[in-house]
Amino acid sequence: NAGVTQTPKFQVLKTGQSMTLQCAQDMNHEYMSWYRQDPGMGLRLIHYSVGAGITDQGEVPNGYNVSRSTTEDFPLRLLSAAPSQTSVYFCASSSPGQGNYGYTFGSGTRLTVV
Amino acid sequence: GENVEQHPSTLSVQEGDSAVIKCTYSDSASNYFPWYKQELGKRPQLIIDIRSNVGEKKDQRIAVTLNKTAKHFSLHITETQPEDSAVYFCAASIGGGSQGNLIFGKGTKLSVKP
Repeated sequence: NAGVTQTPKFQVLKTGQSMTLQCAQDMNHEYMSWYRQDPGMGLRLIHYSVGAGITDQGEVPNGYNVSRSTTEDFPLRLLSAAPSQTSVYFCASSSPGQGNYGYTFGSGTRLTVV
Repeated sequence: GENVEQHPSTLSVQEGDSAVIKCTYSDSASNYFPWYKQELGKRPQLIIDIRSNVGEKKDQRIAVTLNKTAKHFSLHITETQPEDSAVYFCAASIGGGSQGNLIFGKGTKLSVKP
Protein backbone atom coordinates (compact mmCIF):
# COMPACT_ATOMS: atom_id res chain seq x y z
CA ASN A 1 0.00 0.00 0.00
CA ALA A 2 1.84 3.11 -1.25
CA GLY A 3 -0.89 5.54 -0.06
CA VAL A 4 -0.82 8.82 -2.00
CA THR A 5 2.06 9.26 -4.44
CA GLN A 6 2.96 12.65 -5.88
CA THR A 7 5.47 13.44 -8.59
CA PRO A 8 7.67 15.34 -9.07
CA LYS A 9 8.97 16.37 -5.63
CA PHE A 10 10.61 19.53 -6.95
CA GLN A 11 10.11 21.57 -10.11
CA VAL A 12 11.33 24.89 -11.46
CA LEU A 13 9.33 26.47 -14.27
CA LYS A 14 9.74 29.59 -16.31
CA THR A 15 6.83 32.03 -16.47
CA GLY A 16 4.40 30.92 -19.16
CA GLN A 17 5.39 27.26 -19.17
CA SER A 18 2.84 24.56 -18.53
CA MET A 19 3.20 21.35 -16.55
CA THR A 20 1.24 18.59 -14.87
CA LEU A 21 1.61 17.52 -11.26
CA GLN A 22 0.80 13.87 -10.85
CA CYS A 23 -1.15 12.31 -7.97
CA ALA A 24 -2.10 8.67 -7.56
CA GLN A 25 -3.64 6.73 -4.66
CA ASP A 26 -4.07 3.00 -4.20
CA MET A 27 -6.58 3.03 -1.32
CA ASN A 28 -9.72 3.12 -3.51
CA HIS A 29 -10.61 6.51 -2.05
CA GLU A 30 -13.42 8.26 -3.88
CA TYR A 31 -12.44 11.76 -2.74
CA MET A 32 -9.26 13.46 -3.98
CA SER A 33 -8.17 17.06 -3.79
CA TRP A 34 -5.32 19.47 -4.42
CA TYR A 35 -4.19 22.08 -1.91
CA ARG A 36 -1.50 24.69 -2.05
CA GLN A 37 0.47 25.69 1.01
CA ASP A 38 1.97 29.15 1.30
CA PRO A 39 3.74 30.61 4.37
CA GLY A 40 1.22 31.99 6.85
CA MET A 41 -1.73 30.98 4.66
CA GLY A 42 -2.31 27.41 5.72
CA LEU A 43 -3.66 24.96 3.17
CA ARG A 44 -6.01 26.30 0.51
CA LEU A 45 -8.20 24.09 -1.67
CA ILE A 46 -7.59 24.38 -5.43
CA HIS A 47 -9.79 21.65 -6.96
CA TYR A 48 -11.42 18.49 -5.73
CA SER A 49 -13.16 15.38 -7.01
CA VAL A 50 -15.78 13.21 -5.33
CA GLY A 51 -15.39 10.39 -7.85
CA ALA A 52 -14.21 9.44 -11.31
CA GLY A 53 -15.54 11.86 -13.92
CA ILE A 54 -16.52 14.49 -11.33
CA THR A 55 -14.45 17.57 -10.49
CA ASP A 56 -15.20 20.93 -8.92
CA GLN A 57 -13.47 24.14 -7.98
CA GLY A 58 -12.19 25.00 -4.55
CA GLU A 59 -11.13 28.31 -3.01
CA VAL A 60 -8.26 29.18 -5.40
CA PRO A 61 -8.87 27.46 -8.79
CA ASN A 62 -7.66 30.13 -11.22
CA GLY A 63 -4.76 29.03 -13.40
CA TYR A 64 -5.26 25.33 -12.70
CA ASN A 65 -7.14 22.49 -14.39
CA VAL A 66 -7.89 18.98 -13.19
CA SER A 67 -9.44 15.80 -14.52
CA ARG A 68 -10.40 12.49 -12.91
CA SER A 69 -10.62 9.75 -15.51
CA THR A 70 -9.93 6.95 -12.99
CA THR A 71 -10.45 6.50 -9.26
CA GLU A 72 -6.69 6.29 -8.74
CA ASP A 73 -5.36 9.36 -10.57
CA PHE A 74 -5.99 13.08 -10.14
CA PRO A 75 -3.49 15.22 -12.09
CA LEU A 76 -3.22 18.99 -11.64
CA ARG A 77 -2.33 21.04 -14.70
CA LEU A 78 -0.81 24.48 -14.64
CA LEU A 79 -1.81 26.11 -17.90
CA SER A 80 0.61 29.06 -18.02
CA ALA A 81 2.78 29.25 -14.92
CA ALA A 82 3.04 32.56 -13.03
CA PRO A 83 5.35 33.52 -10.14
CA SER A 84 2.24 33.69 -7.90
CA GLN A 85 1.94 29.93 -8.35
CA THR A 86 5.23 29.36 -6.53
CA SER A 87 4.10 27.16 -3.65
CA VAL A 88 4.09 23.69 -2.17
CA TYR A 89 1.31 21.56 -3.59
CA PHE A 90 -0.27 18.67 -1.72
CA CYS A 91 -2.62 16.06 -3.06
CA ALA A 92 -4.96 14.44 -0.53
CA SER A 93 -7.49 11.63 -0.56
CA SER A 94 -10.18 10.27 1.74
CA SER A 95 -13.21 8.04 1.74
CA PRO A 96 -16.13 9.91 3.33
CA GLY A 97 -18.55 7.41 1.81
CA GLN A 98 -16.93 4.78 4.06
CA GLY A 99 -16.92 7.10 7.07
CA ASN A 100 -13.21 7.91 6.62
CA TYR A 101 -13.14 11.70 6.56
CA GLY A 102 -9.48 12.20 7.44
CA TYR A 103 -7.13 13.06 4.62
CA THR A 104 -4.10 11.07 3.60
CA PHE A 105 -1.65 13.52 2.04
CA GLY A 106 0.99 12.95 -0.60
CA SER A 107 4.56 14.01 0.09
CA GLY A 108 4.13 17.31 -1.77
CA THR A 109 5.57 19.06 -4.81
CA ARG A 110 7.67 22.16 -4.26
CA LEU A 111 7.16 24.37 -7.33
CA THR A 112 9.14 27.49 -8.13
CA VAL A 113 8.14 29.74 -11.03
CA VAL A 114 10.82 32.17 -12.17
CA GLY B 1 -17.71 31.75 3.08
CA GLU B 2 -16.71 29.17 5.64
CA ASN B 3 -13.74 30.03 7.80
CA VAL B 4 -11.53 28.45 10.46
CA GLU B 5 -9.56 30.73 12.78
CA GLN B 6 -6.59 29.25 14.66
CA HIS B 7 -4.69 30.73 17.62
CA PRO B 8 -1.95 31.27 18.50
CA SER B 9 0.17 31.38 15.36
CA THR B 10 3.30 30.56 17.37
CA LEU B 11 3.66 28.85 20.73
CA SER B 12 6.82 28.19 22.70
CA VAL B 13 6.80 25.93 25.78
CA GLN B 14 9.33 24.22 28.02
CA GLU B 15 9.68 20.47 27.78
CA GLY B 16 7.19 18.84 30.12
CA ASP B 17 4.71 21.72 30.01
CA SER B 18 1.30 21.55 28.37
CA ALA B 19 0.36 23.23 25.08
CA VAL B 20 -3.10 24.31 23.98
CA ILE B 21 -4.11 25.40 20.47
CA LYS B 22 -7.58 26.78 19.81
CA CYS B 23 -9.73 26.97 16.68
CA THR B 24 -13.10 28.46 15.88
CA TYR B 25 -15.23 27.63 12.85
CA SER B 26 -18.05 29.41 11.10
CA ASP B 27 -20.08 26.65 9.41
CA SER B 28 -22.68 25.41 11.87
CA ALA B 29 -23.13 22.28 9.72
CA SER B 30 -19.49 21.19 10.23
CA ASN B 31 -19.39 17.83 11.99
CA TYR B 32 -15.82 16.56 11.62
CA PHE B 33 -12.76 18.23 13.14
CA PRO B 34 -9.28 16.78 12.51
CA TRP B 35 -5.87 17.95 13.66
CA TYR B 36 -2.72 17.57 11.57
CA LYS B 37 0.94 17.74 12.51
CA GLN B 38 3.45 18.86 9.92
CA GLU B 39 7.15 18.54 10.56
CA LEU B 40 9.54 20.70 8.57
CA GLY B 41 9.62 19.64 4.92
CA LYS B 42 7.14 16.82 5.46
CA ARG B 43 3.52 16.17 4.64
CA PRO B 44 0.72 16.90 7.15
CA GLN B 45 -0.15 13.83 9.21
CA LEU B 46 -3.46 13.23 10.94
CA ILE B 47 -2.88 12.97 14.70
CA ILE B 48 -6.39 13.04 16.15
CA ASP B 49 -9.93 13.87 15.08
CA ILE B 50 -13.33 14.33 16.67
CA ARG B 51 -16.90 14.09 15.44
CA SER B 52 -19.65 16.47 16.45
CA ASN B 53 -21.44 13.92 18.61
CA VAL B 54 -18.44 13.70 20.96
CA GLY B 55 -17.24 16.39 23.37
CA GLU B 56 -13.73 15.11 24.05
CA LYS B 57 -11.32 12.51 22.73
CA LYS B 58 -7.93 11.45 24.09
CA ASP B 59 -5.01 9.53 22.66
CA GLN B 60 -2.12 9.21 25.08
CA ARG B 61 -0.66 12.72 25.52
CA ILE B 62 -2.98 14.47 23.09
CA ALA B 63 -6.65 15.34 23.48
CA VAL B 64 -9.19 17.34 21.57
CA THR B 65 -12.25 19.07 22.99
CA LEU B 66 -15.22 20.38 21.05
CA ASN B 67 -17.83 22.98 22.04
CA LYS B 68 -20.47 22.94 19.29
CA THR B 69 -22.52 25.70 20.86
CA ALA B 70 -19.58 28.10 20.80
CA LYS B 71 -18.22 26.59 17.55
CA HIS B 72 -14.73 26.07 18.85
CA PHE B 73 -12.40 23.15 19.42
CA SER B 74 -8.99 22.81 20.99
CA LEU B 75 -5.93 20.57 20.89
CA HIS B 76 -4.24 19.80 24.20
CA ILE B 77 -0.76 18.28 24.37
CA THR B 78 0.47 17.26 27.83
CA GLU B 79 4.04 16.52 28.94
CA THR B 80 5.44 18.06 25.78
CA GLN B 81 8.64 16.65 24.28
CA PRO B 82 11.08 18.17 21.75
CA GLU B 83 9.71 15.84 19.07
CA ASP B 84 6.34 17.57 19.44
CA SER B 85 7.91 20.64 17.78
CA ALA B 86 6.07 21.11 14.47
CA VAL B 87 3.31 23.10 12.81
CA TYR B 88 -0.18 22.00 13.83
CA PHE B 89 -3.24 22.60 11.68
CA CYS B 90 -6.87 22.33 12.70
CA ALA B 91 -9.58 21.74 10.11
CA ALA B 92 -13.35 21.50 9.89
CA SER B 93 -15.55 19.72 7.40
CA ILE B 94 -17.49 21.92 5.05
CA GLY B 95 -21.13 21.15 5.67
CA GLY B 96 -21.90 17.67 6.89
CA GLY B 97 -18.67 16.28 5.49
CA SER B 98 -20.19 13.79 3.04
CA GLN B 99 -18.60 15.67 0.13
CA GLY B 100 -15.15 15.38 1.68
CA ASN B 101 -13.88 18.96 1.72
CA LEU B 102 -12.02 20.29 4.73
CA ILE B 103 -11.18 23.92 5.48
CA PHE B 104 -7.93 24.47 7.38
CA GLY B 105 -6.73 26.98 9.92
CA LYS B 106 -3.51 28.82 9.16
CA GLY B 107 -1.42 26.75 11.53
CA THR B 108 0.39 27.04 14.85
CA LYS B 109 4.14 26.64 15.04
CA LEU B 110 4.89 24.85 18.31
CA SER B 111 8.42 24.94 19.68
CA VAL B 112 9.28 22.75 22.66
CA LYS B 113 12.49 23.83 24.39
CA PRO B 114 14.51 21.11 26.12
